[in-house]
Amino acid sequence: AQKITQTQPGMFVQEKEAVTLDCTYDTSDPSYGLFWYKQPSSGEMIFLIYQGSYDQQNATEGRYSLNFQKARKSANLVISASQLGDSAMYFCAMRESNTGGGNKLTFGTGTQLKVEL
Amino acid sequence: KAGVTQTPRYLIKTRGQQVTLSCSPISGHRSVSWYQQTPGQGLQFLFEYFSETQRNKGNFPGRFSGRQFSNSRSEMNVSTLELGDSALYLCASSAGQEAGANVLTFGAGSRLTVL
Repeated sequence: AQKITQTQPGMFVQEKEAVTLDCTYDTSDPSYGLFWYKQPSSGEMIFLIYQGSYDQQNATEGRYSLNFQKARKSANLVISASQLGDSAMYFCAMRESNTGGGNKLTFGTGTQLKVEL
Repeated sequence: KAGVTQTPRYLIKTRGQQVTLSCSPISGHRSVSWYQQTPGQGLQFLFEYFSETQRNKGNFPGRFSGRQFSNSRSEMNVSTLELGDSALYLCASSAGQEAGANVLTFGAGSRLTVL
């Protein structure tokens, strides 16, 4: 089974509108972390937001928020007030604690977001 | 504060050759991870080094190897290159020993083309 599933290969949103990018995950580890990264065409992965499995509140970072629904195993990224510069590939990733305490991330297949005027 | 630096940014090799990629982490970061990104397989974890020791390893053949130096800089090596090794190789560094909320900061990547 896929550990991280992103079902939207591509999304379009109009400038200034909000958009939700979906991410579901699968793990039996009670302690895990969820990340969202943005990858522009230049290739560099840019960290957006983090949610720990024990965090009580949904994470927020500026225009980014994470809609964390633990029972449904979903961690959707919400981008408010979209900007043209938000056009990029977005990846959801998970780090499980049962990987020896290290930094192994499992990534989803990504969602290509295009912001239009 | 300087980010994660990867060199070279682009390189072209032929089948059978070997390649070495370099990654300089953010100052003070002791963990360096490597990922391979291809259109077909997506982003896949190669290995992670922490304080010069390999802490995690992905499911790649032994042709892929790495090491970390005492200054935390890391190199990865791919021997006997195959066409399928063409990819963007991303390096990420992280500060702490315990994963927790540690964020991985990625470099711009090294794009390898194997002909």
